[in-house]
Amino acid sequence: DAKTTQPTSMDCAEGRAANLPCNHSTISGNEYVYWYRQIHSQGPQYIIHGLKNNETNEMASLIITEDRKSSTLILPHATLRDTAVYYCIRNYGGATNKLIFGTGTLLAVQP
Amino acid sequence: GAVVSQHPSRVICKSGTSVKIECRSLDFQATTMFWYRQFPKQSLMLMATSNEGSKATYEQGVEKDKFLINHASLTLSTLTVTSAHPEDSSFYICSARSGRGITEAFFGQGTRLTVV
Repeated sequence: DAKTTQPTSMDCAEGRAANLPCNHSTISGNEYVYWYRQIHSQGPQYIIHGLKNNETNEMASLIITEDRKSSTLILPHATLRDTAVYYCIRNYGGATNKLIFGTGTLLAVQP
Repeated sequence: GAVVSQHPSRVICKSGTSVKIECRSLDFQATTMFWYRQFPKQSLMLMATSNEGSKATYEQGVEKDKFLINHASLTLSTLTVTSAHPEDSSFYICSARSGRGITEAFFGQGTRLTVV
């Protein structure tokens, strides 16, 4: 049980920001929120993770609500190569903790 | 980021034969590796957790005698699909996390197995 809820699919225009929501209302206090994406026929790629504070890296920004029940992954300027399935995963983060994938969101970036 | 290499990327085998898939962490040591299977248009399903120097832990419903996992070193885990059948055709993916602190998992590029 992935214990996160994401929309099945979303569209975004090329060059615009893509905002991908995730609901994790039962997240534990020390569980992190991880985001991965999978481009067709490839292994998943790590994007970003966070606990309480908003995070930003060269790929994306992660906005976590104050109550930590939901989060949003933001791709600031989506390109066609960002078309992928995006997975939001809650996890304790240690080396032995397995990642359980839900169904994810298929983001289609349109030209 | 760290690199996890998986080999082969594609394999076709005859029904009844066995196939071995290798997963290597190239620039870090991984005491734990994970094996997933993915069918078309579905999400990744965790099959087992591979522990260096000890037996793998299999998820419910995964046959341990059919999917043999060996994790002989801190940088190598192997998955052997024994007596493969067409229904074992799938995309197999391994991942590993480095051993310190709160870490991300790194994934191999996957192996497309086709059993004919």
